[in-house]
Amino acid sequence: AQSVTQPDIHITVSEGASLELRCNYSYGATPYLFWYVQSPGQGLQLLLKYFSGDTLVQGIKGFEAEFKRSQSSFNLRKPSVHWSDAAEYFCAVGAAGGGNKLTFGTGTQLKVEL
Amino acid sequence: KAGVTQTPRYLIKTRGQQVTLSCSPISGHRSVSWYQQTPGQGLQFLFEYFSETQRNKGNFPGRFSGRQFSNSRSEMNVSTLELGDSALYLCASSDASGGNNNEQFFGPGTRLTVL
Repeated sequence: AQSVTQPDIHITVSEGASLELRCNYSYGATPYLFWYVQSPGQGLQLLLKYFSGDTLVQGIKGFEAEFKRSQSSFNLRKPSVHWSDAAEYFCAVGAAGGGNKLTFGTGTQLKVEL
Repeated sequence: KAGVTQTPRYLIKTRGQQVTLSCSPISGHRSVSWYQQTPGQGLQFLFEYFSETQRNKGNFPGRFSGRQFSNSRSEMNVSTLELGDSALYLCASSDASGGNNNEQFFGPGTRLTVL
């Protein structure tokens, strides 16, 4: 069965600093990978996705992620964090066998210090 | 286009009762998935409906059920509520045009509290 690990439960960065959120997945074939963001009291918003092709994926709000098959990782990065980026970030992997079923990691809560 | 809407946004029930939550997907989307979010278990997949048929199912007891109507609107029902059912229930829709693992658009969720 597929699984996703987000090793960092909480991360605090200063505004303007760079950010990297870690995600490791377990999956038998080429995975479908996603990063979502959730602000307090809100649903999830898709930041970016990887299905195939270029391993460096650009998303919204200045985020990017790099798929590394050898490390089973899909880390999310942003060169300069803004205070409005404070939120919870979820990495997810899509299921094999059809349909739209996501397995999520436990999330990383990002705090931005001004 | 309007986003995914969920009603009600907040709900308080007591143990043993049943509850029905509603989800209206984005116009044209035929796939609707449901997720449960709790502090302890995180985000867990409940089930997915596509063209009125359940296409995927997560590992939840039979007390959790759902259905989808011909206009793609979906409902989920939880019978015999337990305290542990307190959660944020998220609905997501997808146009499923590519078949699998399409981008899913999430609604704001229904916050269910079981007393």
